[in-house]
Amino acid sequence: DGGITQSPKYLFRKEGQNVTLSCEQNLNHDAMYWYRQDPGQGLRLIYYSQIVNDFQKGDIAEGYSVSREKKESFPLTVTSAQKNPTAFYLCASSVAQGGNVLTFGAGSRLTVL
Amino acid sequence: QQQVKQSPQSLIVQKGGISIINCAYENTAFDYFPWYQQFPGKGPALLIAIRPDVSEKKEGRFTISFNKSAKQFSLHIMDSQPGDSATYFCAAKGSSYKLIFGSGTRLLVRP
Repeated sequence: DGGITQSPKYLFRKEGQNVTLSCEQNLNHDAMYWYRQDPGQGLRLIYYSQIVNDFQKGDIAEGYSVSREKKESFPLTVTSAQKNPTAFYLCASSVAQGGNVLTFGAGSRLTVL
Repeated sequence: QQQVKQSPQSLIVQKGGISIINCAYENTAFDYFPWYQQFPGKGPALLIAIRPDVSEKKEGRFTISFNKSAKQFSLHIMDSQPGDSATYFCAAKGSSYKLIFGSGTRLLVRP
């Protein structure tokens, strides 16, 4: 079945540590996105990528980094510079940038201890 | 102008009742208005969407009503079922890449 796989589902991190969240898709979608979900705040865009080796900052990119070395993969690193990293992180993809329909993964919940 | 305001934050409905969630936007350049449904521990999934050239779209028990002049749109869930209990997000998009999401509504349908 085609879809988006995010791992790990749950992750605990100590303050000051970087952590990388994995996102893999087999939908052959060109565009990929990372969103952060906090209670009562909807989904906020962190980074997006429309093609391999290219990505742009979203609304809340500070303290995060990404790479897009393969079409299928778009990992997100939460760095120690992110002041409030505890959140639910969602990866999504669409046929092309600007594509209307987003397909989401099941999410990764990061807790900073 | 880039915000989408969603209400209520939470909603409790009896089984068989009608659930209504409202959203409002400011940017008249938005031309695509989807609703996403999210179950606990899962990612959101597209439920239904509408473009501003129609005032209503129905898919099964789910209906979007769209009021272009008021810049408002709403989701109606008819004959609400316990399995509809989830968080619902409205969203809006123009010609750019970005989908602007509302803050979400937690719906609980009591048996």
